Amino acid sequence: GESVGLHLPTLSVQEGDNSIINCAYSNSASDYFIWYKQESGKGPQFIIDIRSNMDKRQGQRVTVLLNKTVKHLSLQIAATQPGDSAVYFCADNGAQYSGGGADGLTFGKGTHLIIQP
Amino acid sequence: DTGVSQDPRHKITKRGQNVTFRCDPISEHNRLYWYRQTLGQGPEFLTYFQNEAQLEKSRLLSDRFSAERPKGSFSTLEIQRTEQGDSAMYLCASSSTGGALEKLFFGSGTQLSVL
Repeated sequence: GESVGLHLPTLSVQEGDNSIINCAYSNSASDYFIWYKQESGKGPQFIIDIRSNMDKRQGQRVTVLLNKTVKHLSLQIAATQPGDSAVYFCADNGAQYSGGGADGLTFGKGTHLIIQP
Repeated sequence: DTGVSQDPRHKITKRGQNVTFRCDPISEHNRLYWYRQTLGQGPEFLTYFQNEAQLEKSRLLSDRFSAERPKGSFSTLEIQRTEQGDSAMYLCASSSTGGALEKLFFGSGTQLSVL
């Protein structure tokens, strides 16, 4: 089946630097994308989402960029803090277009963001 | 805290036993999802409900798994005759058809260990 994947399993950044986490998706029918943050022992926590009619969306300290041409999205975190340490997942809604019915979100494997002091 | 509650947080059981998990979604959300997550992987869709109707089931959901949402509020996920391969985090999520349908709010999950 089609899936969403992330380029790097682990990303290490210095505290205060900006972080960029990348994601490639394969289902060209996907029109909704979402980033989640998951801390150890907890469920995924919503960060930001974007629809395919947009290229960029900003939140508080976070920005999501979507490039539909190459089926790529990224999550940028400004001024990374120790509390940003977590696994970050991208997900898309493409399964509903290929499987028939709303199969929820399709998640990638995640990138573990490590903050160096 | 997203407002989605799951119980229990942890469950240890012996192979062959039955287990049941409960999820209480955000009260005004009419969609409820179950996902499974194994170590190092992203969550995988299992099934979802709109109100009390179970509308979709993944091929991952074997006949040992059954989910219910009898009154369109809380949901239960039962696994019969558990196997070691069932060990995983079981996540519940909810969303609203009145908002961004795909924006799922997840609970903290139930961590199942089958010995």
